[in-house]
Amino acid sequence: DGGITQSPKYLFRKEGQNVTLSCEQNLNHDAMYWYRQDPGQGLRLIYYSQIVNDFQKGDIAEGYSVSREKKESFPLTVTSAQKNPTAFYLCASRKTGVAHGYTFGSGTRLTVV
Amino acid sequence: GQQLNQSPQSMFIQEGEDVSMNCTSSSIFNTWLWYKQDPGEGPVLLIALYKAGELTSNGRLTAQFGITRKDSFLNISASIPSDVGIYFCAGQLSETSGSRLTFGEGTQLTVNP
Repeated sequence: DGGITQSPKYLFRKEGQNVTLSCEQNLNHDAMYWYRQDPGQGLRLIYYSQIVNDFQKGDIAEGYSVSREKKESFPLTVTSAQKNPTAFYLCASRKTGVAHGYTFGSGTRLTVV
Repeated sequence: GQQLNQSPQSMFIQEGEDVSMNCTSSSIFNTWLWYKQDPGEGPVLLIALYKAGELTSNGRLTAQFGITRKDSFLNISASIPSDVGIYFCAGQLSETSGSRLTFGEGTQLTVNP
């Protein structure tokens, strides 16, 4: 079955360390997105990519980096520059031209210890 | 950026009761979407709305696209325990600019059996 997979489900990081969250989709979707979710807040866009080898900053890109070397993959690196990285991170993909065609992964909960 | 105000933030109801939640925006959207998120999972699309004034149903769920294009509401009739979760509204302006979604802050729904 096609879908979008995020790994790991839970991640613990020491302060000052970079960490990379994985997002893989086999839906043949062109666009991929990373969102951050904090309690009591909506999803906030970190980065998005509409095609391979291209990506744009979202609303809260500082302290994060991404790459899009393959259509299927859109990893997110949380760098040590991100001052408050503990959050639930959601990856999504979308078929271009379909407004409601977002598919979300099941998320990664990152905790800084 | 654009902001969506979603209310109420939380609701505690008895099984069988009807529920209503809404979102308002300071600017116009061309598409309104309603999602449900179960704990520790990604959001799942419930209803998509594409035209001002549109009223759409999906089982016990009914949603409307406000005539001004700046608001939307979601009703759940005859609630059941599995309706528990966080409900998000999301607006999309256009297919350009990466087809970004702007999310509301969410409504946490608790249903008491």
